[in-house]
Amino acid sequence: QVQLQHWGAGLLNPSETLSLTCEVSGGSFSAYYWTWIRQPPGKGLEWIGEINHSGATNYNPSLKSRVTISVDTSKNQFSLKLTSVTAADTAVYYCASARRYTDGEWNYFFGYWGQGTQVTVSS
Amino acid sequence: EIVLTQSPATLSLSPGERATLSCGASQSISSSYLAWYQQKPGLAPRLLIYDASSRATGIPDRFSGSGSGTDFTLTISRLEPEDFAVYYCQQYGRSPYTFGQGTKLEIK
Repeated sequence: QVQLQHWGAGLLNPSETLSLTCEVSGGSFSAYYWTWIRQPPGKGLEWIGEINHSGATNYNPSLKSRVTISVDTSKNQFSLKLTSVTAADTAVYYCASARRYTDGEWNYFFGYWGQGTQVTVSS
Repeated sequence: EIVLTQSPATLSLSPGERATLSCGASQSISSSYLAWYQQKPGLAPRLLIYDASSRATGIPDRFSGSGSGTDFTLTISRLEPEDFAVYYCQQYGRSPYTFGQGTKLEIK
């Protein structure tokens, strides 16, 4: 069973850089695309972006200028950096699977999720 | 981007009843690339349905998904106490992938 565990700083000052890392275990890291999704307090879900094992990325245009998602296949990890944070970036951040390679093709599959990390931006 | 509108915002039902949740898209979703999630307080969303009608592993068969184009439905045939939660739809037919605002299913 694929499991995701993530960590990172939970309290940031405005203008700082948010940095989170997600480690994948129990499955073939390269057989998936990986994604970050966030949920502001009391609100719905927002997709941030995705990455594959080769480092190809796809970002939400609303965040693209501030987001970098990277991958370290040697550690089965992928990471999120979000620059110049404001209070509007306060949210629970989730890492998750996005696609999986089965039967010779890629299919979307948001079936594996991390536990969520609360990130608060406050001065 | 594709906007998803879920209705109703809140649904009040009793255990044993049938629940019907709707998700409407601002544009047709290609290949029926639509998923449904269940979220309980303090937990990550749990994938229930993907590709509009395929149940994820371990999901009870009382959950079913249907629809195509711009109109999709999640049906829970007979509500169990553990089914009361918030439900989200998500489209991944066109980037950026977007979510609906959620339907809260509460005990009547």
